[in-house]
Amino acid sequence: QSVLTQPPSVSGAPGQRVTISCTGSSSNIGAGYDVHWYQQLPGTAPKLLIYGNINRPSGVPDRFSGSKSGTSASLAISGLQAEDEADYYCQSYDSSLSAWVFGGGTKLTVL
Amino acid sequence: EVQLVESGGGLVQPGGSLRLSCAASGLTVSSSYMSWVRQAPGNGLEWVSVIYSGGTTYYADSVKGRFTISRDNSKNTLYLQMHSLRAEDTAVYYCARDVGCTSSTCRNNWFDPWGQGTLVSVSS
Repeated sequence: QSVLTQPPSVSGAPGQRVTISCTGSSSNIGAGYDVHWYQQLPGTAPKLLIYGNINRPSGVPDRFSGSKSGTSASLAISGLQAEDEADYYCQSYDSSLSAWVFGGGTKLTVL
Repeated sequence: EVQLVESGGGLVQPGGSLRLSCAASGLTVSSSYMSWVRQAPGNGLEWVSVIYSGGTTYYADSVKGRFTISRDNSKNTLYLQMHSLRAEDTAVYYCARDVGCTSSTCRNNWFDPWGQGTLVSVSS
C-alpha cells in the first residue's frame, strides 16, 4: 500500500482532458513538501513530467499541468493524444518515514 | 547531456549478494545528490537509498542494514551493494540524480534523469 494514493486507472478519448489525483497526509503533501510527477511509457524508465507542484521541464508540452492543495495534488492532461498512454506517478517526501515516497501509479488509457 | 547507465543486475539466490553500478556522464557524481529507486515487476516505484554530495547516506527501512550506497569519484560511478537478498528485493533498479536539494537539506527534490534500469531477480 503506497503512502500516496492514486487511482489505478483513468481513461479518456483523444482531445479530452483527464486529471489524476494524488492524495497524501499531514506528514507529506500536507506538511508542505512539494509534489512531482513522472511519466513511464511501457518498457521504459520514468521521465520527469512536473516538478515543484506546477513546473514543467523544458520539452514537456503545456498540455500537462500540475496543482497542489492541502493534502492532495493533481496532474491534468488536456488535448489527450495516443502517445500519452502510460503510467503516471506522483512523488513527495514523508517526514514520518524520513523517506521519499511515490504514489502507486495510474495507468492512463487513451480510448 | 546527462546520461546514467546501470549494470550488474542478474539472478541471485536468496541470501546472496550483488553489486549494482551506475556509470554517469554529463554530471559529476561526487558533487551530485544521487538515489537508487526500484520497481518490482508490475508494481510501483520505491525509493531505496540516497547519497548526498557530502557523503551522507540514507536508506529505506526495507533495505537498511543490508544495502550500502557508495560512489567512486575516479570512475564517476555510483554503486549499490546488496547483501542478504530476499525474494521481495526482486525489481528493476534505477539510479537517478536528485535535483532541487539545497546545501543543507534534500526534502523537496525530484529525480531527473533516470537510468534505463537493471533487473535484479532473487530466486532459488
